[in-house]
Amino acid sequence: QVQLQESGPGLVKPSQTLSLTCTVSGGSISSGSYYWSWIRQPAGKGLEWIGRIYTSGSTNYNPSLKSRVTISVDTSKNQFSLKLSSVTAADTAVYYCAREEVIPNYYQYGMDVWGQGTTVTVSS
Amino acid sequence: EIVLTQSPGTLSLSPGERATLSCRASQSVSSSYLAWYQQKPGQTPRLLIYGASSRATGIPDRFSGSGSGTDFTLTISRLEPEDFAVYYCQQYGSSSYTFGQGTKLEIK
Repeated sequence: QVQLQESGPGLVKPSQTLSLTCTVSGGSISSGSYYWSWIRQPAGKGLEWIGRIYTSGSTNYNPSLKSRVTISVDTSKNQFSLKLSSVTAADTAVYYCAREEVIPNYYQYGMDVWGQGTTVTVSS
Repeated sequence: EIVLTQSPGTLSLSPGERATLSCRASQSVSSSYLAWYQQKPGQTPRLLIYGASSRATGIPDRFSGSGSGTDFTLTISRLEPEDFAVYYCQQYGSSSYTFGQGTKLEIK
């Protein structure tokens, strides 16, 4: 049973870079055909997709965040990471990582495994 | 960017009733890339439906999805007390995902 766990600072100062890691357990991040995504949710609001990375390392980002986001993978640690630069209070949210099995350019099976989420507050 | 609009914003029903939730896209969405999620307060989103109509593993058959193009529907045939939650539709297109704003299903 694959499980995901987010980790990282819970408090980030404005203008700094938010850095989070998602650790995959119960399976290899580099096996199969999966996209690994980051999604966030401000308190009391809806879900916003941030970006994703494929098993091969290719990435896609939310166009509204693309200039500030970098997602990378470390297969040796079975982890993938999120960096969001130049943060403001609007970036305060619960950040989730999630997995989705895909047939590239043909079908997606939905985000079936999620981490429990980690709260990040942007404040001085 | 494809915008998903869910309606109604809030749906008040009683256990045992049928719930119909709508998700309308600003442009055509491939059914292969349309999913529905359930989220309860303080919990992680849970995948219900993928490919517009396929139930995820372990999802009861009272949940069903349908639709194509720009109009998609999630139906819960007979509401159980544990079904009262917020529901989100999600689409993938042009290398990006978007979520609807959610429908809150509350007990009447």
